[in-house]
Amino acid sequence: EIVLTQSPGTLSLSPGERATLSCRASQSVGSGYFAWYQQKPGQAPRLLIYAASSRATGIPDRFSGSGSGTDFTLTISRLEPEDFAVYYCQQYDSSPETFGGGTKVEIK
Amino acid sequence: QVQLEQSGAEVRKPGASAKVSCKASENTFTSHYMHWVRQAPGQGLEWIGIINPNSGYTIYAEKFQGRVTMTRDTSTSTVYMELSSLTSEDTAVYYCARVKAARSPFDYWGQGTLVSVSS
Repeated sequence: EIVLTQSPGTLSLSPGERATLSCRASQSVGSGYFAWYQQKPGQAPRLLIYAASSRATGIPDRFSGSGSGTDFTLTISRLEPEDFAVYYCQQYDSSPETFGGGTKVEIK
Repeated sequence: QVQLEQSGAEVRKPGASAKVSCKASENTFTSHYMHWVRQAPGQGLEWIGIINPNSGYTIYAEKFQGRVTMTRDTSTSTVYMELSSLTSEDTAVYYCARVKAARSPFDYWGQGTLVSVSS
């Protein structure tokens, strides 16, 4: 099983600032099989990024993903009020599909 | 726009079973695999398993082997996830999530179903 470790656990930032979230895998993940999700309280997760760097339908271009192998990054260029949420990384390269523990982006 | 409509919240006693349904709005129900994921209160996401609605073939996470059963009803475009021998640690929100194909991101999610286990 591929274990995904996200850091930091919590990120305290102000609107307009840049957010950089990291996810490290315990073994190499094919770049075509890595995703990021956003989850707000009381809601289901929403797909943001797939194939490590492709934005899902309707996702603003302030969200970008990068990385390969064991290290992946989600960047939010300028935080909007609606971006404060929990973010999860996921690999779907091998079963079981695993998720990271999440990074909470909170308002400073 | 694909919609996944899940059944309502359930309260169960330890040792009982819970069965959650997930109805898809799309006509191509049998063309897309469906995953089940759960989230305990205040915790992260945990993968439970996957079902191929066309064939009924399933793969379960090792942790849930022997306790989980996923089935489908193609006439109603509905998949089911039943978890038995419940304990308090199974208290969680259970989500169904659709994928376009094997090894695909989870692009559509149900709204979630809370299963509470308490004596």
